[in-house]
Amino acid sequence: QLQLQESGSGLVKPSQTLSLTCAVSGGSISSGGYSWSWIRQPPGKGLEWIGYIYHSGSTYYNPSLKSRVTISVDRSKNQFSLKLSSVTAADTAVYYCARGFQAGGFDYWGQGTLVTVSS
Amino acid sequence: EIVLTQSPDFQSVTPKEKVTITCRASQSIGSSLHWYQQKPDQSPKLLIKYASQSISGVPSRFSGSGSGTDFTLTINSLEAEDAAAYYCHQSSSLPITFGQGTRLEIK
Repeated sequence: QLQLQESGSGLVKPSQTLSLTCAVSGGSISSGGYSWSWIRQPPGKGLEWIGYIYHSGSTYYNPSLKSRVTISVDRSKNQFSLKLSSVTAADTAVYYCARGFQAGGFDYWGQGTLVTVSS
Repeated sequence: EIVLTQSPDFQSVTPKEKVTITCRASQSIGSSLHWYQQKPDQSPKLLIKYASQSISGVPSRFSGSGSGTDFTLTINSLEAEDAAAYYCHQSSSLPITFGQGTRLEIK
């Protein structure tokens, strides 16, 4: 059974960089046909897709966040990471990592981690 | 960017009732539409993929239909455990987008 687990700082100061990691277990992040995404959800609000990385290393970011986002993969550790720079209070959200299949839906999700942007 | 509009935003329903949630896309997305259930303080759970394909382990009372721009999630014989938010999601074109969500309350 595939499992995803987010980790990282839960509190980030405004203007700093948010950093999160998603550890994948029960399967290889290098398996073909899947994408690995970051998705966020502000408190009480809906879901916003941030971007994804394929096993090949190719990435695509939501244009609304593109200038501030970097997603990378560490195949040796079977994990992928998110960096979001110049954060503001509007970036406060629960951040999820998820696996996408064949340009389709997200079939496995992490439990989510709350990141609060505050001084 | 493809905008997905769900209706209703909120619905209060009684057990055993049949519920229909719709999702309309701003342009045709074929069948690249997926549905999720999110219970409070939990991650979203995939219910239906590619508009109408069932997911292993999901109760058979959940079904999906539609193609192009208009899609429907149907819950037959609602149960108390179905109280949740429901989201549609399109994977037809980037950026990936979600509907704003429909919150289902059980009376």
